[in-house]
Amino acid sequence: DTEVTQTPKHLVMGMTNKKSLKCEQHMGHRAMYWYKQKAKKPPELMFVYSYEKLSINESVPSRFSPECPNSSLLNLHLHALQPEDSALYLCASSQRQGYQPQHFGDGTRLSIL
Amino acid sequence: SQQGEEDPQALSIQEGENATMNCSYKTSINNLQWYRQNSGRGLVHLILIRSNEREKHSGRLRVTLDTSKKSSSLLITASRAADTASYFCATDPDTGRRALTFGSGTRLQVQP
Repeated sequence: DTEVTQTPKHLVMGMTNKKSLKCEQHMGHRAMYWYKQKAKKPPELMFVYSYEKLSINESVPSRFSPECPNSSLLNLHLHALQPEDSALYLCASSQRQGYQPQHFGDGTRLSIL
Repeated sequence: SQQGEEDPQALSIQEGENATMNCSYKTSINNLQWYRQNSGRGLVHLILIRSNEREKHSGRLRVTLDTSKKSSSLLITASRAADTASYFCATDPDTGRRALTFGSGTRLQVQP
């Protein structure tokens, strides 16, 4: 079992829908991350939150909107996505932002129709 | 562009054999980490080696780091079918950015 929980595990949505991905950790970590991973490719960093503040935004399109309501929760709000946004979305956390090992959830498999 | 490139892209071995994966990177780093990803799952941290270390062991894993060549290797000894997974190196470039960049990965298949 992973210590980072992501919901839902699978999500199918149309290009006009609005949905949210959720991530939760209770390890007391103060850095949380969103990654996008395409098949047979490495994870690509999207956003980093450090102490609930957005620290890094890797020039992600505005149809992806992150939110960190508190130190344990991380959301990714989705709106008007494109078919090329279909991917595995991974959440991770670490004690602090930087060089420490990251703990990953099992991801949300997103399919855009 | 990706910081780390790994080779081979894919590796198939028999159970009991050793598996070696290599990672090359481009810039100075604070540390280098290795992760495993089973099919359909998230990544699992395996080992971290700091830039001032040359070798590190953890169970059946041995990692080396050569900062002069900007390269690292991961050796899995006495492989098992359960080691079948993708393996990624991840670097923390010494740029103050404080974020990992993952290599392209090696897909390891261990035949029982």
